[in-house]
Amino acid sequence: QQQVKQSPQSLIVQKGGISIINCAYENTAFDYFPWYQQFPGKGPALLIAIRPDVSEKKEGRFTISFNKSAKQFSLHIMDSQPGDSATYFCAASGNTGFQKLVFGTGTRLLVSP
Amino acid sequence: EAGVAQSPRYKIIEKRQSVAFWCNPISGHATLYWYQQILGQGPKLLIQFQNNGVVDDSQLPKDRFSAERLKGVDSTLKIQPAKLEDSAVYLCASSLEPGAVAFFGPGTRLTVL
Repeated sequence: QQQVKQSPQSLIVQKGGISIINCAYENTAFDYFPWYQQFPGKGPALLIAIRPDVSEKKEGRFTISFNKSAKQFSLHIMDSQPGDSATYFCAASGNTGFQKLVFGTGTRLLVSP
Repeated sequence: EAGVAQSPRYKIIEKRQSVAFWCNPISGHATLYWYQQILGQGPKLLIQFQNNGVVDDSQLPKDRFSAERLKGVDSTLKIQPAKLEDSAVYLCASSLEPGAVAFFGPGTRLTVL
């Protein structure tokens, strides 16, 4: 129940295309859903996050879509650029206890020039 | 604002040896996390501190791993004795409080031969 399932494992998108990464969860106590971006040799960095009171959040070219009833959320990268090539992790945490952050398995995105 | 600092960045040891990693969180951050990231997987929480107290160590292999956060600032994670399966990147992260945005350090890449 503490798992967050992420797909696809890897993704190749042409420059200017849309990258879509999906995540699903089971624990209904989760109420915070961040996406992290990780470049090789670096730690993950927060990209964008959403709480269940909204169905969509947009920041620049990055959009999170959230479907509470389906317990799914996704990251959309519009106008994908080679500089977006990185590994993306979805994560989730709950609103009880000390709010442990649980990560998905990651998606390696390659944006071809 | 300085980020989360970790050292060393790389470490190679033989199995059954011991190793220690150091983390200096962002100033003022009360919550500190140690994550283990095995190649191709998402980060897995090993231990979470609130100030200098442990609030979650449910996934820490306590027979070989130990961690401390003296004075509620810097933290050290130790492995003794190391096993081959401990080869991973060890990430330290900090946040102002539980549930707040977590900032990650660059990690320590451990190779156990």
